[in-house]
Amino acid sequence: DIQVTQSPSSLSASVGDRVTITCRASPSISNFLNWYQHKPGKAPKLLIYAASSLQSGVPSRFSGSGSGTDFTLTISSLQPEDFATYYCQQSYITITFGGGTKVEI
Amino acid sequence: QVQLQESGPGLVKPSQTLSLTCTVSGGSISSGNYYWSWIRQPAGKGLEWIGRVSISGGTFYNPSLKSRVTVSIDTSKNQFSLKLSSVTAADTAVYYCAREAAITGTTSMYNWFDPWGQGTLVTVSS
Repeated sequence: DIQVTQSPSSLSASVGDRVTITCRASPSISNFLNWYQHKPGKAPKLLIYAASSLQSGVPSRFSGSGSGTDFTLTISSLQPEDFATYYCQQSYITITFGGGTKVEI
Repeated sequence: QVQLQESGPGLVKPSQTLSLTCTVSGGSISSGNYYWSWIRQPAGKGLEWIGRVSISGGTFYNPSLKSRVTVSIDTSKNQFSLKLSSVTAADTAVYYCAREAAITGTTSMYNWFDPWGQGTLVTVSS
């Protein structure tokens, strides 16, 4: 099985901050990793696929990087609408999600 | 654009079968190279992928749920469905349906979910 561990589980940040969320996979998953944003009561939204490709319509302040076991989602300048929970998801072997990172004010 | 909406009972008794339907609007469920998937999230916990169906009816399930899960598709109604048998309180969760893209990579498949439905809460209780 592929284990996917996100960190931190929560963080506090301010508008304008640069935010970095980490996802660690074991064993290696190449670049078979995606990132989602989830707000309460709403449908989760795809942000990044294949580790670093920005989904159409997603603001360019979101970026993804990494390969193998270590991946990051970066928000370059946090906006009020970005306060949400973020999940990574691997598809190298079946499908599993990370535990989530809640970004709070 | 394509939108998905889950529907079904919000309360299911223990040992019974949970049944949900996802209705796809804004496009045909048969168009494009997609799978159609179910994902759930118990309260306070992370997301768990349940399983998928192709437009030809082929299925693939999470090994941890495989013995209790059936996902099916009805292209004439633009719908796909989930059945989870022998439910317990541990199956209480928000259930999401989603369109799953699948792109062949060099060593595996790139699979991602977009769009998702808003989710429906199913509570297992007597």
